[in-house]
Amino acid sequence: EAGVAQSPRYKIIEKRQSVAFWCNPISGHATLYWYQQILGQGPKLLIQFQNNGVVDDSQLPKDRFSAERLKGVDSTLKIQPAKLEDSAVYLCASSLGTLGRAYEQYFGPGTRLTVT
Amino acid sequence: AQSVTQPNIHITVSEGASLELRCNYSYGATPYLFWYVQSPGQGLQLLLKYFSGDTLVQGIKGFEAEFKRSQSSFNLRKPSVHWSDAAEYFCAVGRGYSTLTFGKGTMLLVSP
Repeated sequence: EAGVAQSPRYKIIEKRQSVAFWCNPISGHATLYWYQQILGQGPKLLIQFQNNGVVDDSQLPKDRFSAERLKGVDSTLKIQPAKLEDSAVYLCASSLGTLGRAYEQYFGPGTRLTVT
Repeated sequence: AQSVTQPNIHITVSEGASLELRCNYSYGATPYLFWYVQSPGQGLQLLLKYFSGDTLVQGIKGFEAEFKRSQSSFNLRKPSVHWSDAAEYFCAVGRGYSTLTFGKGTMLLVSP
């Protein structure tokens, strides 16, 4: 089966610019996650969707970050305006979301964002 | 709040030697525990998970981990390391519906 797809793989922008990342989860996976991984740290959950509804966005900086998952499939994560501290790898993951399998998350390759 | 501590940032092991990566967690309830591996330029891959039952769990690629409630630990082990095991390893604890909290990771270097 195809894995989690993300694009672009790399992005360089200047601070105060905007950027968007795209994620296509594994077919049939109800739950989709966006993580931010800063160099030297583990992934930090930004937002979690169950189908097209938000389950957890407690760590999403809502003044500059937004995410949507239209039709419960693909998702986009946007940053506007970007700050230097947003430089990180943005990981998308998906899971079946069913009991016992909800924690088995499959990760995409990530988008490496550099803000200059 | 839950947290995960991986005390070693880097570990170097000779090829063929045994490996143990340490993980300690802080969580009020019965934890769901996981180990993920991240190779350069790739996403994270699930190695193994503990939900309940037998405290020694087997995973992919010859890895195993042991849950010790008294020590709040979930250490990852492998009896004989291969050069292809060089990667970064993350311990994670599950909370809520399916949310994961990750440790900062341990980079494994394998020397010839």
